[in-house]
Amino acid sequence: KAGVTQTPRYLIKTRGQQVTLSCSPISGHRSVSWYQQTPGQGLQFLFEYFSETQRNKGNFPGRFSGRQFSNSRSEMNVSTLELGDSALYLCASSQLQGSGNTIYFGEGSWLTVV
Amino acid sequence: GENVEQHPSTLSVQEGDSAVIKCTYSDSASNYFPWYKQELGKGPQLIIDIRSNVGEKKDQRIAVTLNKTAKHFSLHITETQPEDSAVYFCAASLGGGADGLTFGKGTHLIIQP
Repeated sequence: KAGVTQTPRYLIKTRGQQVTLSCSPISGHRSVSWYQQTPGQGLQFLFEYFSETQRNKGNFPGRFSGRQFSNSRSEMNVSTLELGDSALYLCASSQLQGSGNTIYFGEGSWLTVV
Repeated sequence: GENVEQHPSTLSVQEGDSAVIKCTYSDSASNYFPWYKQELGKGPQLIIDIRSNVGEKKDQRIAVTLNKTAKHFSLHITETQPEDSAVYFCAASLGGGADGLTFGKGTHLIIQP
């Protein structure tokens, strides 16, 4: 069974640009959540999508957004990139909604903002 | 919101010895506690989890204990091997999952040959 797949794995963007990251969950999983990982702040919850609807949201500015498609695949977008957005962005999937359910992470997308 | 403290930040043990990593959480309503292992350049991998209706769970060389009264939980790895070297994260969830998982800052486990 394939795991959580994220693309692209690595990317470099310039301040002010926007970026879109993609995530394909484990087959049969309907919930997708996104986390940001940085050396200073650690792993922080961005948002969760279930059945194409954002169910939960972390404490991030509105520049961070996402969406989920009918096949459960998800994308997240960061607009007007700042240097501090440089991070590993992790997608995780689970069968059910809510972080009380077992979630499985992908390998992440490394974003560098210059 | 929930706050999770994890100690130590770095742990070095001899191969074959045991390793213990401890976490405390702040919200007594939290009821799900997973542990993740992250190797360099990879995403976190779930290694074991425990729910608040259970005090201990074991899977081969790995065990997790939970003390709800004291609001702390621990990861125990016995007979450590070189491949156990990684960063380990504990996390807590309110179960309803409104805020996602709250993670500790991580423990860098080093297994000395």
